[in-house]
This record gives sequence, C-alpha cells and structure tokens, in this order.
Amino acid sequence: GAVVSQHPSRVICKSGTSVKIECRSLDFQATTMFWYRQFPKKSLMLMATSNEGSKATYEQGVEKDKFLINHASLTLSTLTVTSAHPEDSSFYICSAQTDEGGAGNQPQHFGDGTRLSIL
Amino acid sequence: SQQGEEDPQALSIQEGENATMNCSYKTSINNLQWYRQNSGRGLVHLILIRSNEREKHSGRLRVTLDTSKKSSSLLITASRAADTASYFCAMTGGGSNYKLTFGKGTLLTVNP
Repeated sequence: GAVVSQHPSRVICKSGTSVKIECRSLDFQATTMFWYRQFPKKSLMLMATSNEGSKATYEQGVEKDKFLINHASLTLSTLTVTSAHPEDSSFYICSAQTDEGGAGNQPQHFGDGTRLSIL
Repeated sequence: SQQGEEDPQALSIQEGENATMNCSYKTSINNLQWYRQNSGRGLVHLILIRSNEREKHSGRLRVTLDTSKKSSSLLITASRAADTASYFCAMTGGGSNYKLTFGKGTLLTVNP
C-alpha cells in the first residue's frame, strides 16, 4: 500500500517553457503533499507544503510565482515550473502523507521523482 | 534550524557484513525517520521511531534513538548487494510536527 505516482519521470525542454509535474496518491487519501528539490549527491530541500483545497505554503527563498502548486483533490497535487531556465534543472520529488492517527506520526510516501533538464 | 547529519558520508562493506549509520540532530524532535534512496529514484520509508521510543526493529533493520545525546543509529544486518543505496535520516519537530528535515545522507555500497 501507500503508493505515490509521479509523472513525468524525465523532462527535457527549452528555456522559457513551462513544465507541469503531477503527483498522485494511488491507494490512500493524502491530506498533505510535499514538494522537494534535490541537487546531485545532496539532501532533499523542501520547497512547499500543500493541503487539499488551500494555498500551498512555500519555504523561505522559494518563488511562489515560479513554482506554482495546485492541490485540487486528496489524491492529486501538481507543480508547475513556469518559464523554466537552466538553473531550474534539478530532480524534483513529491511526497504524500495522511493525517490518520496524527500527521506527526505518519511517514511520508514518495514518488519516484522527475528529472528536469532545461536546455 | 533543525537538520540531521549522517555519519559516515560513505560506507563500503562486503555482502554479509553489518552496516551502521549514525544521525545526529540539534533540537528536540517529535519523531525521527529513516529513508532509503536508490540512485535516481524517490525515497522509501524504512522506520519511524517516536521521541519516547528507544529502539525499533523491522526485518534486518534496527534503529535506536538516544534523545539525551540527540542521536540515532540505523543498523542493517547481514547486508546484501541490493541494500546499496543512500540512507537519510529525517525528523519532525522544532515547531512543526509534520515537516521533515533531512540530513545529507550516507551512501552505502555493499560489494558482492
């Protein structure tokens, strides 16, 4: 159980393009979804937290207008990288969490990540 | 800010040996979790240990938590080549009971 599907797995596109990444919880309802960015051989950096039906909460230094997050349902969140540039190239990973029994005692379930390459 | 720090950064062992990875943190926690990441993939949750627990087991994995020393360890017994991956500790706490803060990870290589 607790499967999270993330698509696409890899995107290569030209500078200036907007890219949408989907994150779906397949067999559970995700009260909260998280978006991370990971640089090569580095840790995960939390970008934003989203709850279904409400605006995402962005971490300090993350541009809201650059990284648009929509959490339209309890099973789907999307991250759109708008007008992407080479410096946005990275590995983006989503995770989903249920709050059953208290969110503080639930693990996060991760997608397989999206490798974004901007030429 | 809260951030775990794993030690060692890299560990190379032979199949069948045990692997121990350590994690230290700075402020109080709600819980501490260990995750595995295979190269180019997402993270897989291994074990969650709460701040009032001292030890947890799952198959070949054993996690300990010492809140007085602000440290945790992950022991993988009888390692296999398939255990080769990066291992991260992550914790909730420090004002948020659900946001995870990750360490930099330990790259474990198990040689056949």
